[in-house]
Amino acid sequence: EPEVTQTPSHQVTQMGQEVILRCVPISNHLYFYWYRQILGQKVEFLVSFYNNEISEKSEIFDDQFSVERPDGSNFTLKIRSTKLEDSAMYFCASSEGRESTDTQYFGPGTRLTVL
Amino acid sequence: ILNVEQSPQSLHVQEGDSTNFTCSFPSSNFYALHWYRWETAKSPEALFVMTLNGDEKKKGRISATLNTKEGYSYLYIKGSQPEDSATYLCAFIPFTGDYKLSFGAGTTVTVRA
Repeated sequence: EPEVTQTPSHQVTQMGQEVILRCVPISNHLYFYWYRQILGQKVEFLVSFYNNEISEKSEIFDDQFSVERPDGSNFTLKIRSTKLEDSAMYFCASSEGRESTDTQYFGPGTRLTVL
Repeated sequence: ILNVEQSPQSLHVQEGDSTNFTCSFPSSNFYALHWYRWETAKSPEALFVMTLNGDEKKKGRISATLNTKEGYSYLYIKGSQPEDSATYLCAFIPFTGDYKLSFGAGTTVTVRA
């Protein structure tokens, strides 16, 4: 069964460093998302992406964040200068469409630890 | 910020017993409600997408109902098994043109053998 994959599973970085989190969405899906969960809090939406541009973004998704689909398979989230509060589990998701019945399929997450 | 609440936060169930828990969401501007099952270190697994008031969905021993008028959904597990131990997340999508999921905090189910 097709699945969303994410690498790495765990990333440790120093505050101020840049990190790139990678995702391979399901191959025939057209819509891509990033969510995150800070420990003890709800999963929260960061950004959605379609047709090589951002569709929606939350207020969390400031200038420190960017997303890219550098080739036909990968979808990346870059954090330019990490802060302690960026420590969280980051989930990538993809969906075939945006109808009410379309499921968003999630990857296993990347745990980002900022020291 | 959309208020999506799940209760209880956690519950312990004896193997073989049935259980249920609740997701409540804003009753206006309803578009869809998603249920996910999430085991530690694994991807959240999509269980149901619910779109119509009165919807009932079933997958094996797990089923869900939806009441959009009063803003709640129930998830039921019949004859709980240890493999049902997981966190169950609901996520709401309003009819606003966005397609972002607003998650509840989850209900963590532990099934004791």
